[in-house]
Amino acid sequence: KQEVTQIPAALSVPEGENLVLNCSFTDSAIYNLQWFRQDPGKGLTSLLLIQSSQREQTSGRLNASLDKSSGRSTLYIAASQPGDSATYLCAVKSPQGGSEKLVFGKGTKLTVNP
Amino acid sequence: GAGVSQSPSNKVTEKGKDVELRCDPISGHTALYWYRQSLGQGLEFLIYFQGNSAPDKSGLPSDRFSAERTGGSVSTLTIQRTQQEDSAVYLCASSLSMLQYFGPGTRLLVL
Repeated sequence: KQEVTQIPAALSVPEGENLVLNCSFTDSAIYNLQWFRQDPGKGLTSLLLIQSSQREQTSGRLNASLDKSSGRSTLYIAASQPGDSATYLCAVKSPQGGSEKLVFGKGTKLTVNP
Repeated sequence: GAGVSQSPSNKVTEKGKDVELRCDPISGHTALYWYRQSLGQGLEFLIYFQGNSAPDKSGLPSDRFSAERTGGSVSTLTIQRTQQEDSAVYLCASSLSMLQYFGPGTRLLVL
């Protein structure tokens, strides 16, 4: 059974700092891995999707890497801003039971202080 | 274009009552998912629809939970005889290919 773990559970940093969020998964047989952002009272916004054959994806100040063999992904946020404050979720899509479901970690709650 | 919408946005009910939660997916999206996010827990998969059929119902926690999808579009998640542990945010997502697009969720509180 696929399990996804995110460390740390919460992180508080001053504005401008570069930071790394970590995600690990137990079964390396994945289709892809996604990073989402969740703001309070709102749904999830997809930030980056990495296919199993890819090593990394970049969007603006965000860079996500994937090491499938070790079951790890990192989300790097450069020059953090207060608007980056949110909960960041990592999710993997695995070929389990023929479903297309995502398996999520519990998230990292990020606070960027001005 | 319009995203995934869910209604109601908030629902407060008494223990033992039945509730219905609605999801309107993005037009043309063939796949639809329900997830649940309980306090302190990650998002848990409930059920997956492809068209009107549900090939994976493995996440439904008990037989009090059921879901249907009609016309390859709108889906309803029904919880019968609600319990306090059913309190959570219920999220719906739809997809045409790789990406799942999420709605804002329905926050359910069972008193």
